[in-house]
Amino acid sequence: DAKTTQPTSMDCAEGRAANLPCNHSTISGNEYVYWYRQIHSQGPQYIIHGLKNNETNEMASLIITEDRKSSTLILPHATLRDTAVYYCIVRNNSGNTPLVFGKGTRLSVIA
Amino acid sequence: GAVVSQHPSRVICKSGTSVKIECRSLDFQATTMFWYRQFPKQSLMLMATSNEGSKATYEQGVEKDKFLINHASLTLSTLTVTSAHPEDSSFYICSAREVGQGGRGYTFGSGTRLTVV
Repeated sequence: DAKTTQPTSMDCAEGRAANLPCNHSTISGNEYVYWYRQIHSQGPQYIIHGLKNNETNEMASLIITEDRKSSTLILPHATLRDTAVYYCIVRNNSGNTPLVFGKGTRLSVIA
Repeated sequence: GAVVSQHPSRVICKSGTSVKIECRSLDFQATTMFWYRQFPKQSLMLMATSNEGSKATYEQGVEKDKFLINHASLTLSTLTVTSAHPEDSSFYICSAREVGQGGRGYTFGSGTRLTVV
């Protein structure tokens, strides 16, 4: 699976949009972009995923660039409960391979 | 949605003893489960892949005789830390994959905080 690069940490004011970038310049054509987050001392939680089109669900939006070499996770109205480490993971959907986590971005939402 | 139950959530044991951690998929069958370890301020590191009815596959550097994995049914995998030492103190997390759900099908347990004293 392709490697991803994310900033180590970010701050966001409560109520504002949090935009978390991810670079995945070596992504291949059949690989999806997945986002998970881990709140302190809990297991990771699925957020959203996409292949090439932008995606939106009740938690977040995912914007993937046209060349698919980078993406941005958007939390439209961040709350204190969104403080967590956010992981961008690239993988294809075939097989039973595990998710491989990078270092992620530690997002701190500030009141 | 899919739920994975992990037990216990927290355990303290004496050095030299063994500890068993259970991971159950509550509303789906999982032929494959994964075990991760996470040290403070670090990311999740994959330890092993647990396959129902067969031997687990361990990542490089993980001692299979120390971290015993049993996946005897489609809903239960166990990780036993044998002869635990203080350096085994960590946060252990399991994940089960719901077939047919692609990458979003990875559901994680809530983790087990192991402290070896």
